[in-house]
Amino acid sequence: NAGVTQTPKFRVLKTGQSMTLLCAQDMNHEYMYWYRQDPGMGLRLIHYSVGEGTTAKGEVPDGYNVSRLKKQNFLLGLESAAPSQTSVYFCASRTGTGAYEQYFGPGTRLTVT
Amino acid sequence: AQKVTQAQTEISVVEKEDVTLDCVYETRDTTYYLFWYKQPPSGELVFLIRRNSFDEQNEISGRYSWNFQKSTSSFNFTITASQVVDSAVYFCALIERQTGANNLFFGTGTRLTVIP
Repeated sequence: NAGVTQTPKFRVLKTGQSMTLLCAQDMNHEYMYWYRQDPGMGLRLIHYSVGEGTTAKGEVPDGYNVSRLKKQNFLLGLESAAPSQTSVYFCASRTGTGAYEQYFGPGTRLTVT
Repeated sequence: AQKVTQAQTEISVVEKEDVTLDCVYETRDTTYYLFWYKQPPSGELVFLIRRNSFDEQNEISGRYSWNFQKSTSSFNFTITASQVVDSAVYFCALIERQTGANNLFFGTGTRLTVIP
């Protein structure tokens, strides 16, 4: 039982390049989330999904897209990376049955130059 | 409006001292959930505790204890007899039921350093 895993762990992009971050969970959780963590700002929600085939915007969705084609996977895409997207990205998941704690992946450190 | 405030940016204590991390929250919802997460130097986020708005009982788990007071909108975290392994950034967070319980509002974190 690996919990929540994220691929890749580190990535450096040039401005304008695109990439996809993959999140996978093996806990059969309904809900999945993408956050970014910036110094001094805690974590902020980018997008989330309440089930396979659904997505919704969070607090800071601009510049990102997501997809949830399979229940266990949640993809975060950057179509045209900008230096402001330099951050640590965390994926999280939780069950849909009233226990609201989210379980986090190890994070992806992204640098956009 | 900021929903979760952790006024202590950094705290340093000497090993075996007790330390309390403060968390003040703001919400108009009557049903909400409060959390503490630990982020050690390795970077992952570890869930520590959840408390719902209807349960004001304090909780103790080993050296950790939590004091939830609705009257002061606070959910403070105390580590007794601190150890070097407690060194981490600790986040307090809030979920409101009325927003669908999907936006976990985090405080900005308190960095705890335990000096051996």
